[in-house]
Amino acid sequence: QVQLQESGPGLVKPSETLSLTCTVSGGSISSYYWSWIRQPPGKGLEWIGYIYYSGSTNYNPSLKSRVTISVDTSKNQFSLKLSSVTAADTAVYYCARVSSYYDILTGYYHHYMDVWGKGTTVTVSS
Amino acid sequence: DIQLTQSPSFLSASVGDRVTITCRASQGISSYLAWYQQKPGKAPKLLIYAASTLQSGVPSRFSGSGSGTEFTLTISSLQPEDFATYYCQQLNSYLFTFGPGTKVDIK
Repeated sequence: QVQLQESGPGLVKPSETLSLTCTVSGGSISSYYWSWIRQPPGKGLEWIGYIYYSGSTNYNPSLKSRVTISVDTSKNQFSLKLSSVTAADTAVYYCARVSSYYDILTGYYHHYMDVWGKGTTVTVSS
Repeated sequence: DIQLTQSPSFLSASVGDRVTITCRASQGISSYLAWYQQKPGKAPKLLIYAASTLQSGVPSRFSGSGSGTEFTLTISSLQPEDFATYYCQQLNSYLFTFGPGTKVDIK
């Protein structure tokens, strides 16, 4: 079955850029949306953004000016870059697959995050 | 932007109890809502999508209902492994907002 694995530095200095990669195994990155989500210590989930395998993206407006999500289909990977980080960006970062279900009654697609990585902790500190 | 609220934020229940969690959207989202369960130190797990469709492999004691702005997640008979935090998520617009979560604890 499809598995996701986040990787990247666990410690990032303030004002620098956080960079993470999610490797997809057991399946193809094609034909899906892929998303990043984070969870600060003791807090709830925050959606960061998503990318379609073809490269189109959408970001949380609160992070949009600092976020870039990219995809490398040849490596079955997608990546997150978050610039100008502060202590408030300290969190567990998750990657997830976004699947879709077509509702023939409405003609619209329902999306849902059905496969998640285990998460990686990123601390912003000097 | 669409905002989600959940109630209660915390609930204490016993094994065998029927538990209901409510998620409200700041504007109508049809049935574009999912529910996730998260246990400490673990990634969230999808329970329900399209407001009421049970994800494969999820026990049938979990059910979801609602449309528009009000949704519920019901656990018909709480089991020891169900003590966790539950999040709703809207996927109506192209912005996938999460609710603040409901922690279900042992009474």
